[in-house]
Amino acid sequence: AQSVTQLDSHVSVSEGTPVLLRCNYSSSYSPSLFWYVQHPNKGLQLLLKYTSAATLVKGINGFEAEFKKSETSFHLTKPSAHMSDAAEYFCVVSDPLRDMRFGAGTRLTVKP
Amino acid sequence: DTGVSQNPRHKITKRGQNVTFRCDPISEHNRLYWYRQTLGQGPEFLTYFQNEAQLEKSRLLSDRFSAERPKGSFSTLEIQRTEQGDSAMYLCASSLVGRVGSPLHFGNGTRLTVT
Repeated sequence: AQSVTQLDSHVSVSEGTPVLLRCNYSSSYSPSLFWYVQHPNKGLQLLLKYTSAATLVKGINGFEAEFKKSETSFHLTKPSAHMSDAAEYFCVVSDPLRDMRFGAGTRLTVKP
Repeated sequence: DTGVSQNPRHKITKRGQNVTFRCDPISEHNRLYWYRQTLGQGPEFLTYFQNEAQLEKSRLLSDRFSAERPKGSFSTLEIQRTEQGDSAMYLCASSLVGRVGSPLHFGNGTRLTVT
């Protein structure tokens, strides 16, 4: 079975500083991994995905994530936070034979 | 690609009533998922279909909940004898299985309020 753990329920950064949102996963198979973003009162939007190609994945809005098999991690980063990045972020794990499971989410706050 | 469509957007109902939600996935997608999301929580998996076959149901899905996808296209989620604890956002998503790493495409959800 697969599962995903987001290590921080809330992260607060200042505008212009780096963002790190942590995600660890477990899977019986070679997983696909995703990050989704949800702005207040909006739907879920795909940020980026990992599918066993390059371990460093670039997504929209300057976000990227690195798949580290040895650490079973898929942390999301951005070099410089923008006010518009304030949202809820979800790490998702999937394998070909099962459904997709969401982490509990990390709420990102960006201070001016 | 018109995206995943969910109807209605909002539903207010009294405790004990039955409600039904509809989801129209992206047309070529063969997999359809239902999730439930409560305030401050991540989406919780309820069930999913591959074509018309319901492949998995979460233990969250009590016998008051039933989902169908009769022709492998749109899906309905029915909740019978609603309870206040059923109040949540119900999300539908679709994907194309068989393509490695096919992401979920979400609808905007149906917000259910049980009074």
